[in-house]
Amino acid sequence: DSGVTQTPKHLITATGQRVTLRCSPRSGDLSVYWYQQSLDQGLQFLIQYYNGEERAKGNILERFSAQQFPDLHSELNLSSLELGDSALYFCASSLWTSPQETQYFGPGTRLLVL
Amino acid sequence: DQQVKQNSPSLSVQEGRISILNCDYTNSMFDYFLWYKKYPAEGPTFLISISSIKDKNEDGRFTVFLNKSAKHLSLHIVPSQPGDSAVYFCAASVSGTYKYIFGTGTRLKVLA
Repeated sequence: DSGVTQTPKHLITATGQRVTLRCSPRSGDLSVYWYQQSLDQGLQFLIQYYNGEERAKGNILERFSAQQFPDLHSELNLSSLELGDSALYFCASSLWTSPQETQYFGPGTRLLVL
Repeated sequence: DQQVKQNSPSLSVQEGRISILNCDYTNSMFDYFLWYKKYPAEGPTFLISISSIKDKNEDGRFTVFLNKSAKHLSLHIVPSQPGDSAVYFCAASVSGTYKYIFGTGTRLKVLA
């Protein structure tokens, strides 16, 4: 158990809909990262927050947005969903924000768009 | 553009033998590399890392080798155990960019 929690574990929805994925980092960690893993793909970095502020952006679509709240939990919002958005979405956390820090991953949310 | 490549989708090894997982990268700015292990229905877990100032890092049964001129790193597991059966991802980062670039993973199966 990494100490990072993600809800829900599974999500099934229809094209055009909007969903929110939630992540609670390890106690004391200030950084939260979001990744997408599509079928047969590596983990694609989406976005990072550090202590409530956006720190880095990766291959995140404009239909996707995220935020980190004062209690440090984070939400990833996916809107106007398409079939291709079906994937595993992982959240990870670390104490600070250096790439040389270990990132601890949650178990992921499996999203299926029908 | 896949900056980090794991060209072997799968690998099978007998228990007790050496497992060698390979990773190639194209961006010469990468200066920190990591290996993560992932079991089904779990998130990736950190295994071992190496900075570009080194060419080898060892942690128990796990050793990572870095060949900067070839832009290649490898993970050696000796001896391999059935519990090592998992998907292994390599990842790379550039100092100051705050993000990892992951490969597509290699599924290792250690046969008892």
